[in-house]
Amino acid sequence: NAGVTQTPKFQVLKTGQSMTLQCAQDMNHNSMYWYRQDPGMGLRLIYYSASEGTTDKGEVPNGYNVSRLNKREFSLRLESAAPSQTSVYFCASMSTRGANVLTFGAGSRLTVL
Amino acid sequence: AQRVTQPEKLLSVFKGAPVELKCNYSYSGSPELFWYVQYSRQRLQLLLRHISRESIKGFTADLNKGETSFHLKKPFAQEEDSAMYYCALSHDRDDKIIFGKGTRLHILP
Repeated sequence: NAGVTQTPKFQVLKTGQSMTLQCAQDMNHNSMYWYRQDPGMGLRLIYYSASEGTTDKGEVPNGYNVSRLNKREFSLRLESAAPSQTSVYFCASMSTRGANVLTFGAGSRLTVL
Repeated sequence: AQRVTQPEKLLSVFKGAPVELKCNYSYSGSPELFWYVQYSRQRLQLLLRHISRESIKGFTADLNKGETSFHLKKPFAQEEDSAMYYCALSHDRDDKIIFGKGTRLHILP
């Protein structure tokens, strides 16, 4: 019953460094999402993927890239991290058959110095 | 532009008092509306969705298309209701799901 698994849970980066947040789901869901959560700003959609091989921009895609490697995995990459990208990142997945309900990961706390 | 607005950042309510968390949306199509909740040290999880018309943990929410609102209500607040609540909108044309800024509900003893 793993659900949605995100790694790493915590990461500290220096400005300009790159890193990839990994996300995997074992529920055979079609759609996957990356959100960032900031105080006072709520959850903002970065990118989403409606199916394997497709990705679409969300509300705040600048500075990020994504890869839908296969149906299970959806990674988020920061090519050159900036302090403004300090946030908690959430991955989520959803089955498009039946209830359109998101299942969330535990979150990844990223600090960019 | 699509938007979900939660006007209150923080709502403090005494235990036993009624609760109403406001949510308004802007969308040109026929969206599906949800409430998600994040309890302390727990993952974000679905509380309820408008099409199921359920009452979950005593909470209800009615979609008012005329006022483009989906307010969350509970007649008698309980201390365990203290959490962060997010209103969300799912597009009818694709799988995009956007959230409001959230309302922190604090139940006072």
